[in-house]
Amino acid sequence: EAGVVQSPRYKIIEKKQPVAFWCNPISGHNTLYWYRQNLGQGPELLIRYENEEAVDDSQLPKDRFSAERLKGVDSTLKIQPAELGDSAVYLCASSLGGTSGNTIYFGEGSWLTVV
Amino acid sequence: QKEVEQNSGPLSVPEGAIASLNCTYSDRGSQSFFWYRQYSGKSPELIMFIYSNGDKEDGRFTAQLNKASQYVSLLIRDSQPSDSATYLCAVNRLYSGGGADGLTFGKGTHLIIQP
Repeated sequence: EAGVVQSPRYKIIEKKQPVAFWCNPISGHNTLYWYRQNLGQGPELLIRYENEEAVDDSQLPKDRFSAERLKGVDSTLKIQPAELGDSAVYLCASSLGGTSGNTIYFGEGSWLTVV
Repeated sequence: QKEVEQNSGPLSVPEGAIASLNCTYSDRGSQSFFWYRQYSGKSPELIMFIYSNGDKEDGRFTAQLNKASQYVSLLIRDSQPSDSATYLCAVNRLYSGGGADGLTFGKGTHLIIQP
């Protein structure tokens, strides 16, 4: 079974430029997460989707970050404009959800460098 | 604010010995507890999860949970050089109707197994 797929794996952009990350969760997983991980830190939740609905976006910097999950499958995370402090790994993860689907599985991550 | 605390290390353990990794959490409502392993440049990989007080064993790994003390630990027996990685502790709450909120991670403990 394919895992969580993310693209691009690596991206270098200049500050003030836009960037977008794409995620395809594990088939059948209703819950999708975007995390950000800075060097030497644990992942921090940005947004959580239950199917198409963003049920927790309290940590998403809404002035420059946006996300969508059309049709409840793939998701896109966008940053516009990017700042130097946005350099991090952006991790997409998914879980089954429901009473037995609590375990979260991560993709390989999208490494962003803003210069 | 939910917090998960881990000693960042590095924790150095000789090959073949037992590595003991510790984690404390602040949210008494936390119900699920996870240990992830993260190699440098890679995404977090699930090792174990535990829901109930006591011990849970899986091969060389044992997770221990004490909800009264808000304490989770991971023991790695017969440590191997390939166990050298950062170990992330994570917690979340479950919903009565099924599902869970996003994981809150600690910063991770860097474990080094010395040959």
